[in-house]
Amino acid sequence: SQKIEQNSEALNIQEGKTATLTCNYTNYSPAYLQWYRQDPGRGPVFLLLIRENEKEKRKERLKVTFDTTLKQSLFHITASQPADSATYLCALDPPPSYNQGGKLIFGQGTELSVKP
Amino acid sequence: DAGVIQSPRHEVTEMGQEVTLRCKPISGHNSLFWYRQTMMRGLELLIYFNNNVPIDDSGMPEDRFSAKMPNASFSTLKIQPSEPRDSAVYFCASSLGSRGRSYNSPLHFGNGTRLTVT
Repeated sequence: SQKIEQNSEALNIQEGKTATLTCNYTNYSPAYLQWYRQDPGRGPVFLLLIRENEKEKRKERLKVTFDTTLKQSLFHITASQPADSATYLCALDPPPSYNQGGKLIFGQGTELSVKP
Repeated sequence: DAGVIQSPRHEVTEMGQEVTLRCKPISGHNSLFWYRQTMMRGLELLIYFNNNVPIDDSGMPEDRFSAKMPNASFSTLKIQPSEPRDSAVYFCASSLGSRGRSYNSPLHFGNGTRLTVT
């Protein structure tokens, strides 16, 4: 079965620096990979989606890369701010051939703390 | 847009009692998902519906769990009887998709119901 590994330890960085979060997966390459942000007591909020044939996707200070050879996605937040502090989850959408339509599988998440 | 609405926000009940969680998806979305989140297991998909029809309930842990979607604007997740190990945060999410697939349409989550079974 598909397994997703995200940095289990919290990531602490200084304001203004670039935060880089890792999402590794085993088994099949997903059709899509998504990143979500979750704040305490709230549901996850969608940030970015990247397709298997895309190498990189950007949105404002956010950048996601997708390397199907390494089976890895990296999530970058440039010029980080204390308001970026949250837990970030990656989620995989299986390809149609796996006949698991709709089973968006989430990683455990990485907690990011940006200090002023 | 009010987003996905879940109720109640918190539920504390005793073991053996019936628990019903409620969800109102975003209007126009045709897929609805129930997830459970715990520290140990993270976010787990329990069941999802497409056009009000259950597509995959393989994530439902036991027969004690059941879910319904009587119409496009309402879904319930019921646990009967509840057990302490059911304690978790239960999320409902909705999206636009084909047979539940997210594709280009990400999930929109509610803020969850925190269930505590004593």
